[in-house]
Amino acid sequence: DVKVTQSSRYLVKRTGEKVFLECVQDMDHENMFWYRQDPGLGLRLIYFSYDVKMKEKGDIPEGYSVSREKKERFSLILESASTNQTSMYLCASSDRDRGLYTEAFFGQGTRLTVV
Amino acid sequence: GDSVTQMEGPVTLSEEAFLTINCTYTATGYPSLFWYVQYPGEGLQLLLKATKADDKGSNKGFEATYRKETTSFHLEKGSVQVSDSAVYFCALPGGSYIPTFGRGTSLIVHP
Repeated sequence: DVKVTQSSRYLVKRTGEKVFLECVQDMDHENMFWYRQDPGLGLRLIYFSYDVKMKEKGDIPEGYSVSREKKERFSLILESASTNQTSMYLCASSDRDRGLYTEAFFGQGTRLTVV
Repeated sequence: GDSVTQMEGPVTLSEEAFLTINCTYTATGYPSLFWYVQYPGEGLQLLLKATKADDKGSNKGFEATYRKETTSFHLEKGSVQVSDSAVYFCALPGGSYIPTFGRGTSLIVHP
């Protein structure tokens, strides 16, 4: 069974901490994505990557950075966590070669609370 | 650019009622169309898909037909259950391979 795995289901961090959210996929997908989900706002794209060491800003990159050193792993970094980053974070991957036919595969989500 | 518009929720139904969640899209070319479901506290999972015009995707009693002439992909189910309570997202693969999602529609089914 194909899998996207996020390292934590729930995290509680303090304001100002550096936070790492890890995501691993086992499908050899080129594309990987980080979204945040807030009530009434749907899914908002933070960053995406279409290859190892490649990254592109999404719609709301401020306060975040990413790292993709290996194809299967895409990390989201909150440089200095703030309370307005309390949210549900979703990682996803997709097969770039399938283009217009490709679906996204999601991890189970990380519920981050910054106190 | 590509976009997806779906009806706002929440949609509240009694068990065994008929469900329709409307979705319309704007896209370049003829992409596949998707419905994802998100159960409480979980990530999104693919519910069904259609890859070309007039295709009908189906799964778990849900259906949606790819209508090119009306650029629509409405989700339907004949008889909902309490366990169908979730958030439903209509989606495109998106330009440059970035998926495009609707805002999501929350479905609440009462016994």
